[in-house]
Amino acid sequence: AQKITQTQPGMFVQEKEAVTLDCTYDTSDQSYGLFWYKQPSSGEMIFLIYQGSYDEQNATEGRYSLNFQKARKSANLVISASQLGDSAMYFCAMREAGYSTLTFGKGTMLLVSP
Amino acid sequence: DAGITQSPRYKITETGRQVTLMCHQTWSHSYMFWYRQDLGHGLRLIYYSAAADITDKGEVPDGYVVSRSKTENFPLTLESATRSQTSVYFCASNGGPSVSSYNSPLHFGNGTRLTVT
Repeated sequence: AQKITQTQPGMFVQEKEAVTLDCTYDTSDQSYGLFWYKQPSSGEMIFLIYQGSYDEQNATEGRYSLNFQKARKSANLVISASQLGDSAMYFCAMREAGYSTLTFGKGTMLLVSP
Repeated sequence: DAGITQSPRYKITETGRQVTLMCHQTWSHSYMFWYRQDLGHGLRLIYYSAAADITDKGEVPDGYVVSRSKTENFPLTLESATRSQTSVYFCASNGGPSVSSYNSPLHFGNGTRLTVT
């Protein structure tokens, strides 16, 4: 079974609108961390936001927020007020307790139109 | 500048040839990682290293060899390249899974695009 599932291969959104990118995860650990990365067309991997499994508040970083629903094992990325520069591939990833590695989902391609 | 550097950025090689992808980081991070990125698969872990002379297999290690004689370098070698190894390869690092760094993200290099003909 996949540990990280991103069910949306592609998403379209108009500039200035909000968009939610879905991520569900599978773990039996109580301690874990969830990460989102952005990969623009230039190819680099840019860290966006982190959510720990014990964090009571949803993480926020500027226009990015993480809608963390622990019971549903979901960690959706919300981008408010989309900009053209948000067009990119977005990856959700998880680190489980005791592990140094991140397991990535397959990614969601977001296209922002004017 | 401090950071993580991969070389080369682009490489074309022939089937059966040996090729080495280089990765160098200046943060003195203990952990280093190699991932490959393929359409439809996301990023998959090839090998990782917890410290100099300590390496371990990831999800897709077959056909690859790594070494880590110095903390700052983590080269990835394809001993006999195959077309299925055509991919974008990312090196990454972070400080390690201690309590203080549990939430630390991986820091990625800019990637090496490898084509095996």
